[in-house]
Amino acid sequence: AQRVTQPEKLLSVFKGAPVELKCNYSYSGSPELFWYVQYSRQRLQLLLRHISRESIKGFTADLNKGETSFHLKKPFAQEEDSAMYYCAFNDMRFGAGTRLTVKP
Amino acid sequence: EAQVTQNPRYLITVTGKKLTVTCSQNMNHEYMSWYRQDPGLGLRQIYYSMNVEVTDKGDVPEGYKVSRKEKRNFPLILESPSPNQTSLYFCASGLTGGTLYGYTFGSGTRLTVV
Repeated sequence: AQRVTQPEKLLSVFKGAPVELKCNYSYSGSPELFWYVQYSRQRLQLLLRHISRESIKGFTADLNKGETSFHLKKPFAQEEDSAMYYCAFNDMRFGAGTRLTVKP
Repeated sequence: EAQVTQNPRYLITVTGKKLTVTCSQNMNHEYMSWYRQDPGLGLRQIYYSMNVEVTDKGDVPEGYKVSRKEKRNFPLILESPSPNQTSLYFCASGLTGGTLYGYTFGSGTRLTVV
């Protein structure tokens, strides 16, 4: 079955520490993957598209076809990064999400 | 401003009383979709629509109905709500299904069924 898996429901780091939110996928073919972010009491927002290979708010994500992963990384976490993060296919199938807390 | 608008933001209702949650987008998007968000379960798709008069079931369609009579509107209908439909609901739209540009979400509707 084609699915996105986010193995960590909760992730906590200190401000200034590196952060990596994991996303693994199973897909036959070449997937199109996204990261969405949901700040407290707000709507989901598109954060990154793998196809654009961009860096948004200091976050990057690389599609690793060998490991079937699309992990989200940031070298120095900030308190305002605290949010719920979802990995998703372009057909809108989502992972279960990871809640990131960045402690001062 | 390009946006997806959901109403109401909050709703408390009683079991069995029919309700409709509205969703409207002003971006001329073909694709629209409804999700429910529950703790530990993430986002689960209820129904989606690839275009006007074209709707299809998502992963959790039981107890819900939708319609797509106009491109901009995609209401979610609960004919006989039950407490297990208490959840946070999101509407989303995109240029097309499977778009590489991502999707735009509404602000959410928090529904409580007592």
